[in-house]
Amino acid sequence: DAGITQSPRHKVTETGTPVTLRCHQTENHRYMYWYRQDPGHGLRLIHYSYGVKDTDKGEVSDGYSVSRSKTEDFLLTLESATSSQTSVYFCAISGTASTDTQYFGPGTRLTVL
Amino acid sequence: AQSVTQPDIHITVSEGASLELRCNYSYGATPYLFWYVQSPGQGLQLLLKYFSGDTLVQGIKGFEAEFKRSQSSFNLRKPSVHWSDAAEYFCAGLSWGKLQFGAGTQVVVTP
Repeated sequence: DAGITQSPRHKVTETGTPVTLRCHQTENHRYMYWYRQDPGHGLRLIHYSYGVKDTDKGEVSDGYSVSRSKTEDFLLTLESATSSQTSVYFCAISGTASTDTQYFGPGTRLTVL
Repeated sequence: AQSVTQPDIHITVSEGASLELRCNYSYGATPYLFWYVQSPGQGLQLLLKYFSGDTLVQGIKGFEAEFKRSQSSFNLRKPSVHWSDAAEYFCAGLSWGKLQFGAGTQVVVTP
């Protein structure tokens, strides 16, 4: 299994509070991704990173920001959490964007009350 | 628009019976295609992938998939299902560096 960890694994928070999720990899892969998983939608891309300090938006980026200050860490921040952001969040990594397989972390279940 | 579609939301199969999960894609060029499996409470595990070449792809856990350009399909099959195959299965296409997932098919295995 690819060396990907996510923290926390579970979090319950209240509407309006900031939340940061962390993804850590030990594979030295260049590309990192954040997805959210919701019933009936599969996984949808929130943001991705193609290198340190290089990030771009995905399909559902509104309300989320990301940062990558080190190759191994990719942070996802909800500046002011809303109930619609209740979801399971997955991090993924790949060596290249166009041809490589993405490997997924174990996920973080976030509940916004 | 580029997309991946899984027509079946839910499939029930008896243990020992064969399984086929459907996946249709809509891309201008041949995409890179993947099947992932997700067990309850777990992350996604790669079952197999198709990039080019032989259209019948073998994966882990006894799964295989066949790429059919004429039908824009990449269906997943297993000849004999085990109870441990109960999970959710996702088809995905990689295009311009981004993975697009189908909505998933939930597989229930009955004794």
